[in-house]
Amino acid sequence: EAGVVQSPRYKIIEKKQPVAFWCNPISGHNTLYWYLQNLGQGPELLIRYENEEAVDDSQLPKDRFSAERLKGVDSTLKIQPAELGDSAVYLCASSPGLAPSTDTQYFGPGTRLTVL
Amino acid sequence: KQEVTQIPAALSVPEGENLVLNCSFTDSAIYNLQWFRQDPGKGLTSLLLIQSSQREQTSGRLNASLDKSSGRSTLYIAASQPGDSATYLCAVTTDSWGKLQFGAGTQVVVTP
Repeated sequence: EAGVVQSPRYKIIEKKQPVAFWCNPISGHNTLYWYLQNLGQGPELLIRYENEEAVDDSQLPKDRFSAERLKGVDSTLKIQPAELGDSAVYLCASSPGLAPSTDTQYFGPGTRLTVL
Repeated sequence: KQEVTQIPAALSVPEGENLVLNCSFTDSAIYNLQWFRQDPGKGLTSLLLIQSSQREQTSGRLNASLDKSSGRSTLYIAASQPGDSATYLCAVTTDSWGKLQFGAGTQVVVTP
């Protein structure tokens, strides 16, 4: 079974430029999560989807961040414009969604963003 | 607000020793607690998941306990190996949508 796929794995951009990250969850997984992980810290939830619906985007900085999950499968996270403080690892995770409170979440390898 | 703390932040042990990693959380109203492993440049791998009604879970050399009333969990790794070197994170599920609140992790180095 293929795991969660993310691309690109690494991205270096200059501040004020836009950037987008892509995530393909495990086949059949209804719930999808985007996390941000700063160096030396645990991941922090940005947004979560149940199929194509964003059920919690309260921690997404909406002035510059946006996300979508078309057809309830792949998802894209965008930052426009990027700031120096956005340098971090962006992780995508998915779970079956049958019982989100008890499901194990499966994480992708992440995208390491560096903003210069 | 739920806060999750992991102590120590880093740990180095010789091969063969048992590892003991600690996790504490401030709000006992959790659905479950998970332990994850993270290797450099890679995502997280779930090691053990303990439901709120359970006291412990075991998988091979790994054993995790949960004391919800005191807000503590401990991960034991028996007979450590160099391949166990990684960062170990604990996380609690805080709502019915599966929101995870993570600790900062314990970085483990097992020396041959």
